[in-house]
Amino acid sequence: AQSVTQLDSQVPVFEEAPVELRCNYSSSVSVYLFWYVQYPNQGLQLLLKYLSGSTLVKGINGFEAEFNKSQTSFHLRKPSVHISDTAEYFCAVSGSGGYQKVTFGIGTKLQVIP
Amino acid sequence: DVKVTQSSRYLVKRTGEKVFLECVQDMDHENMFWYRQDPGLGLRLIYFSYDVKMKEKGDIPEGYSVSREKKERFSLILESASTNQTSMYLCASSFWGQGNQPQHFGDGTRLSIL
Repeated sequence: AQSVTQLDSQVPVFEEAPVELRCNYSSSVSVYLFWYVQYPNQGLQLLLKYLSGSTLVKGINGFEAEFNKSQTSFHLRKPSVHISDTAEYFCAVSGSGGYQKVTFGIGTKLQVIP
Repeated sequence: DVKVTQSSRYLVKRTGEKVFLECVQDMDHENMFWYRQDPGLGLRLIYFSYDVKMKEKGDIPEGYSVSREKKERFSLILESASTNQTSMYLCASSFWGQGNQPQHFGDGTRLSIL
C-alpha cells in the first residue's frame, strides 16, 4: 500500500517570497513521484516528476522538488512566487510495476498575497 | 498537446436519475481514469481502464459503473444518482507504463444532484 501526506492544507505567502510545499509518502516498493497544479476551474496539470537519477527535479514555471529517500519526502519549492502561482498543488505517488495506481495527497492551496 | 475533453463543465440532475459523464482523449492513451474531487479529501479514484472493454475498480466504486467501448472514450455512469454524489468529477488518461507515466486531466465536470 502507498500513501501521501501533504502537511499543509493552505499556505499564504507574499509575492516574490520563497515557498516550500511539503509532501511525505510511504510505500513498500520503489516509487515514482509527481507534483500537479490545479488552477481555478481547471483540471490538474503536471508540474514535475521524479522517476530516477538526480534527486533534484526541475519543473515548469520555476518550480523544483527534491526527492529524499531517507526522509520519504518530496517537497516542492520556488525561490520567488508570483500572483499567477495561486493555485492548489497536489503531490502524488505511483508504485513501479503493473498498471499505475496513483495515490494523490489532499492538496495544498497556495495563496500569493500582493 | 494532449487533450482530454469532458462533455460537460456543469451538470445538474435529480435524485434517482441515471447520469452519464463522458470523456474523450486524443492521444491514443491506453489508460483512462475517473476521479472525484472533494474539499479536504483530494482526488479519489472511482474506476480506471487499461484497455478497451477492460475496467478495474478504484477506491470508491460503489454507486458507479463505467464503459469503454472505444479506446478514446471512457464513460462514467451513476446508476441512480444520490445527493452524496454531488462533486467535481475529473477524467484523466495516460500511456501504459510501469507507473512512470504522468496523467493528463480534463477540466472537470461539476455535478450537482438535487
